[in-house]
Amino acid sequence: QLQLQESGPGLVKPSETLSLTCNVSGGSISGSQYYWVWIRQTPGKGLEWIGGIYYSGNTYFNPSLKTRITMSIDTSKNQFSLRLDSVTAADTAVYYCARESWILVPPMSSYMDVWGKGATVTVSS
Amino acid sequence: QSVLTQPPSVSAAPGQKITIPCSGSTSDIGNNYVSWYQHLPGTAPKLLIYDNDKRPSGIPDRFSGSKSGTSATLGITGLQTGDEAVYYCGTWHSSLRAEVFGGGTKLTVL
Repeated sequence: QLQLQESGPGLVKPSETLSLTCNVSGGSISGSQYYWVWIRQTPGKGLEWIGGIYYSGNTYFNPSLKTRITMSIDTSKNQFSLRLDSVTAADTAVYYCARESWILVPPMSSYMDVWGKGATVTVSS
Repeated sequence: QSVLTQPPSVSAAPGQKITIPCSGSTSDIGNNYVSWYQHLPGTAPKLLIYDNDKRPSGIPDRFSGSKSGTSATLGITGLQTGDEAVYYCGTWHSSLRAEVFGGGTKLTVL
């Protein structure tokens, strides 16, 4: 059974970089048809898709965040990572990693079928 | 402000049926498949419906999905107290080239 687990600091200072890693177990991160994504939920608000990475390294980012995002994938360790630069209090959220199934031929089919439990990140000095 | 529009809340009695609408545009729902997620506090969101109306293995047939034009609907029959959660619709936005969600609908089972 595929499982995802987020890890990283729970507290980040304003203007610094948020770094999270998602460890994938019970299956290979190198499978085709899947993107590996990050989604967050800010306090009192809904879900926000941050972006995703394919095993080849191809990425898609949320336009509202793309200038601050770096994603990487390590197939040898079966894990992928998120870096978010220049964080502010608005980046305080629960961050989830997930597997997103994609079929890129219109109509586009995309859905997150496996999720991590989430990591709470607070931006505060 | 979410790209997709959902009512903030719905409520009904146990055993009843509810529907949750999700409204979008031709750039998202109108030309792509819709998925639905159930989010209980403190847990990871769970996929309920994908490709408009398909249920993953293990999701009971009390949950259903449909789509018409630029709107989609989640239906839940035989409501149970355990169904109390926030429900989100999601789809791909062809212009933004990003996944977008509705703002979420909190279901209360009275």
